[in-house]
Amino acid sequence: KAGVTQTPRYLIKTRGQQVTLSCSPISGHRSVSWYQQTPGQGLQFLFEYFSETQRNKGNFPGRFSGRQFSNSRSEMNVSTLELGDSALYLCASKSDLQGYTEAFFGQGTRLTVV
Amino acid sequence: DQQVKQNSPSLSVQEGRISILNCDYTNSMFDYFLWYKKYPAEGPTFLISISSIKDKNEDGRFTVFLNKSAKHLSLHIVPSQPGDSAVYFCAASAPGNTPLVFGKGTRLSVIA
Repeated sequence: KAGVTQTPRYLIKTRGQQVTLSCSPISGHRSVSWYQQTPGQGLQFLFEYFSETQRNKGNFPGRFSGRQFSNSRSEMNVSTLELGDSALYLCASKSDLQGYTEAFFGQGTRLTVV
Repeated sequence: DQQVKQNSPSLSVQEGRISILNCDYTNSMFDYFLWYKKYPAEGPTFLISISSIKDKNEDGRFTVFLNKSAKHLSLHIVPSQPGDSAVYFCAASAPGNTPLVFGKGTRLSVIA
């Protein structure tokens, strides 16, 4: 089974631009979550999508948005980029079957805003 | 308001010894806990989990202990190996379709 795939791996953008990150979950997984990792801040939850609907949302400004397609692939968009948006963005998928299951992470997209 | 806390940013242990990583939580609704390991430039990988109905779970060299009354869990690695050097994240979730909440991580260095 292929793992969680995130593209691109690295991005450099200029302040004020927008960016779109992509995540393909493990086959059969319908839940996709996005996290932001910055030095010293751990993993901060952005949002979760399940069956094309946003199921949970973290405390990030409206510049951060996402969507999920019918094949469970998800995209995350950040508009009007700020220097502070430089971070590793991680996507995680889980099967969401009955009971608790662990989330599987992709390798992340390293975004640098200059 | 940090609901999951890993108060030790770093830990250094000699090869062959026990590594103990600690995690505290504040939300009494959390009932499922996980540990992830992360190498640089890679995503976190799942290590071990524990449900609140248990107080211990083992998987090979890794054991997680849960003390619900103290809202504390710990990960024991015995024996520690140089390949265990990584950042370890503690995570927790509440019932229902709630997201995982992560701590800030502890960097473990295992010295040969």
